[in-house]
Amino acid sequence: AQKITQTQPGMFVQEKEAVTLDCTYDTSDPSYGLFWYKQPSSGEMIFLIYQGSYDQQNATEGRYSLNFQKARKSANLVISASQLGDSAMYFCAMREGGDDKIIFGKGTRLHILP
Amino acid sequence: EAEVAQSPRYKITEKSQAVAFWCDPISGHATLYWYRQILGQGPELLVQFQDESVVDDSQLPKDRFSAERLKGVDSTLKIQPAELGDSAMYLCASSLEGRLGLAVKETQYFGPGTRLLVL
Repeated sequence: AQKITQTQPGMFVQEKEAVTLDCTYDTSDPSYGLFWYKQPSSGEMIFLIYQGSYDQQNATEGRYSLNFQKARKSANLVISASQLGDSAMYFCAMREGGDDKIIFGKGTRLHILP
Repeated sequence: EAEVAQSPRYKITEKSQAVAFWCDPISGHATLYWYRQILGQGPELLVQFQDESVVDDSQLPKDRFSAERLKGVDSTLKIQPAELGDSAMYLCASSLEGRLGLAVKETQYFGPGTRLLVL
């Protein structure tokens, strides 16, 4: 079974609009961490934001926020006021407490339109 | 700002040839990871080092792939012989600790990757 599911292969969003990238996860470990990475066409994976399973509040980093719904096992990334430079692949990832590995989803390609 | 370095950035080779990739993690990072990313998919872990020791190589095709981190700093990933299906992006990442159970929030920092094309 997929540990990380990203159901949106691609999205087109108008510049300056907010965008939500979906991510659901599957784990039975009560301790886990969720990550979002951005991968522009250059190839480098850029860390964006982290959410821990025990964190009481949703994580925020500048224009990025994570809509964490633990009961639904959902960790959607919200980008406010999108910019042309946000066009990239976005990967949701998870590390379980009993494992060192970070498991990645298949990604969502985001296109920001001028 | 400290970065993970990788070289080469691009490599074109013919099948059955040998190729090698190099990674220099962020200074002081004990854990080093090699990932393979096939076009259109997320990265998949090939091998993980804690200092100079391999802690996970369960997904490494050991008949053709090898990895080493002799002094616990930089690392080399080798493929011999290369096959057409090895065409992919090879990403190196490092994290400060990465020890089991130390902190689920330990972030991995990635290098720019090596794009391999096998003809």
